[in-house]
Amino acid sequence: GAVVSQHPSWVICKSGTSVKIECRSLDFQATTMFWYRQFPKQSLMLMATSNEGSKATYEQGVEKDKFLINHASLTLSTLTVTSAHPEDSSFYICSADRPPGTGSSYNEQFFGPGTRLTVL
Amino acid sequence: RKEVEQDPGPFNVPEGATVAFNCTYSNSASQSFFWYRQDCRKEPKLLMSVYSSGNEDGRFTAQLNRASQYISLLIRDSKLSDSATYLCVVNPADSGYALNFGKGTSLLVTP
Repeated sequence: GAVVSQHPSWVICKSGTSVKIECRSLDFQATTMFWYRQFPKQSLMLMATSNEGSKATYEQGVEKDKFLINHASLTLSTLTVTSAHPEDSSFYICSADRPPGTGSSYNEQFFGPGTRLTVL
Repeated sequence: RKEVEQDPGPFNVPEGATVAFNCTYSNSASQSFFWYRQDCRKEPKLLMSVYSSGNEDGRFTAQLNRASQYISLLIRDSKLSDSATYLCVVNPADSGYALNFGKGTSLLVTP
């Protein structure tokens, strides 16, 4: 299957610092990528939809000024958690939407391995 | 009401058992349905798509009932390696390709 990478895989930071997470589609171009967050024993919750070359679309309740998304190329989207606080500690997962034609006749989403963020 | 609902479990079953998971979804316009598997502290991985006619992949059988807005997953001859959380996932027609995840059903297969 297609490969999506995330970096870093885990990060521990002090409260008030900013953390950048990268999501890369390694073997296909992704016009659309998604950022999810998962708290312990909870389901994945969509935070935002990242579109290459345009502003991200944020879900209700997600602060766009706190979670900055940049999708500067067809293979890279970044999520920056600004002024992180302990309540931002979570598992952040990206997914990339692979269009039909490359191994499949329909769109498929592929997930990155996730980034575990711990804010002290 | 949550868009995708699952029995959280946990389901504890012995090796070789057959186990079934159920899921309901609220958006009747939803177009595509999936079961994902998530291991502890890992990303979800696609187990199988679910088609209206039902589909089978080895020991796994998925069924979709659009009238009842109900999806099921049946695992036969459970293996220890099947222990994981199984996520029911729905792609709602009105939000492009963003997926809605259920909270997941936890399965533990014991020797």
